[in-house]
Amino acid sequence: DIVMTQSPDSLAVSLGERATINCRSSQTVLYSSNNKNYLAWYQQKPGQPPKLLIYWASTRESGVPDRFSGSGSGTDFTLTISSLQAEDVAVYYCHQYYSSPFTFGQGTKLEIK
Amino acid sequence: QLQLQESGPGLEKPSETLSLTCTVSGGSINSSNYYWGWIRQPPGKGLEWIGSIYYSGSTYYNPSLKSRITISVDPSKNQFSLKLTSLTAADTAAYYCARPRTAGTTYGAFDIWGQGTMITVSS
Repeated sequence: DIVMTQSPDSLAVSLGERATINCRSSQTVLYSSNNKNYLAWYQQKPGQPPKLLIYWASTRESGVPDRFSGSGSGTDFTLTISSLQAEDVAVYYCHQYYSSPFTFGQGTKLEIK
Repeated sequence: QLQLQESGPGLEKPSETLSLTCTVSGGSINSSNYYWGWIRQPPGKGLEWIGSIYYSGSTYYNPSLKSRITISVDPSKNQFSLKLTSLTAADTAAYYCARPRTAGTTYGAFDIWGQGTMITVSS
């Protein structure tokens, strides 16, 4: 199984500041035949299902604000929120869909400082 | 737009079999060429992919659960289902049904999720 490890486990950022969450996979999730990273990011608020933010490591889902961006390739990935808003308080998960069984990171809890 | 809705018993006893159903509305399972998946989340913990099924019935299962799970599809009811046997307290979780955003493959990010149903395993 591919193990997904996020850092940090929790993060407190001031409103308007940048938030950065990292995700590392135990093996590559870059599929060489199409040069795509099989990596997604989700946001989950209490009592709600996860919401897809980013797929293919850097493609923003329709309707997701452009302050959210994803980067990285191979085994190291980053989710960046460029200017934190109050509504961004949530737990964020990375997810690899490169190989079955599909696996998720342990989550990063983002709070307001 | 496409919506998913889980239904289940809420409470099950240890050693029993859990049966969950996901009803698809706003689209047809049979003609959509998509996979349909189950994911669970224990209280306060992370997400675990359980397995996925194609509209034709072919399945992918998480090896950690494979001996205990069966996922099936009923196109006539526009539903797919999960059965999980030999329940223990460790199976207590919110169970979500979800669909990957890419048609024709299970190798996709999940863009549509149900609201989830909480299942507690307790005597």
